[in-house]
Order: sequence, then structure tokens, then C-alpha cells
Amino acid sequence: EVHLVESGGGLVQPGGSLRLSCSASGFTFSTYSMHWVRQAPGKGLEYVSAISYNGGDTHYADSVKGRFTISRDNSKNTLYLQISSLSAEDTAVYYCVKEESGRSPSGLIYYFDYWGQGTLVTVSS
Amino acid sequence: DIQMTQSPSSLSASVGDRVTITCRASQGIRNDLGWYQQKPGKAPKRLIYAASSLHSGVPSRFSGSGSGTEFTLTISSLQPEDFATYYCLQHNTYPWTFGQGTKVEIK
Repeated sequence: EVHLVESGGGLVQPGGSLRLSCSASGFTFSTYSMHWVRQAPGKGLEYVSAISYNGGDTHYADSVKGRFTISRDNSKNTLYLQISSLSAEDTAVYYCVKEESGRSPSGLIYYFDYWGQGTLVTVSS
Repeated sequence: DIQMTQSPSSLSASVGDRVTITCRASQGIRNDLGWYQQKPGKAPKRLIYAASSLHSGVPSRFSGSGSGTEFTLTISSLQPEDFATYYCLQHNTYPWTFGQGTKVEIK
């Protein structure tokens, strides 16, 4: 059974940093792209970042580019998100998400099949 | 970045009603779109992939359509367990982007 367990969230002051972790189990972690998605309290889902199966490709939303860094350690089945220069707008639950991909008659397909329970980051003085 | 404009932001409906939610992309995304359902305090759940294909285990009252820039999610006969927030997600171009969400509430 697939499990994604985030950790590392907490209260941080504006301008501060945190490293979020996501421990994965139940699947061959090293063969899947992984993503981070966040959700501010009472707000919608916001896409944050992605990393390819081997860490060779990374992508970021404009709102976090230059401040957040996604990485992975396939030997530890762990995904990371280093978040820095934080402001109140970064307060959110951060979800670790597994990507699934495949082929359909119309081409390649992608979707999110498993989500973690989320870790709350609160930016406040 | 591709902007996904979802409408309406909320709607009230009764059990048995037909409900339609729309997502418009700021540029063509072929059929690279999925729909997700989220209930309060829970992680989102997949419903539709490739704009119109139903994920395994999802009730057939859910359907998706569209291609290019306009997409719809339809619930043919709303059930009590369908009251939730729905999101579209485009995966045509990085960064992937979500619509703003549609909250489906009980009338």
C-alpha cells in the first residue's frame, strides 16, 4: 500500500526557512516523478513544484521560484522541499503527491494518484 | 504560465440535480487536464484524466469533456457524497496549474 508521510512543518518567522520531507513507501520511489502542492487555509489548491524520477528535472511555480528548492534522495525514498524567504503568503498545508503516468490512444497521460496527509507551515512573527 | 479559470466558484444544488463545472485554459492544452474532488480536511481524490476518461472506481455519474481551452465536469445526478470542492488541473505545460475550485453545496 502506498504511503506518503510529510514532516518538517511548523511555525516560522517571516524571512525564515524550513525543510519539508516526504517519506514514501509501498512503491518503487526511484521510478516516479513527485510533486508538492499547497493549500492556504480556506483556499484552493496551488501547484508548487515537481521533480523527475532521478532528480534531473525540476519545475517551480512562479510564486516560489528562487525561494523553494525541491530535491529527492532515492536511496532513502524521501522527497524534500527547502522553503526559504518565507512570508505570510506561504502559510499553507504542503502536500507531497505522487505522479502516475501512462499511455492512452490520444497520447501520454499524467495524474496525481496518491497524496500525503500534508504538513502545515505557518509563517508568523 | 497557463491560467485555468474555473467557474462557478460555488453552487448550490439538490440531490438528483445535474451539475456542470467549467474550466477554461488561457491557451490550448489539448486534453491534458484532470479533475479532482476534495472534501474538508482530506487530500484531493482523482476523478477524471485526459479530460474525459473516468478513473477506476469513480461512479459513472461523473463525466468530463472538452479539448483545447474549454473543459467541463458534469455530475449527472448529484448524490449526498458529492458535496465537495472540485478542481481542474492542467498538465500540458510546467508549471502545472489548478483552477480556483468549485464548491458544491447543498441547497
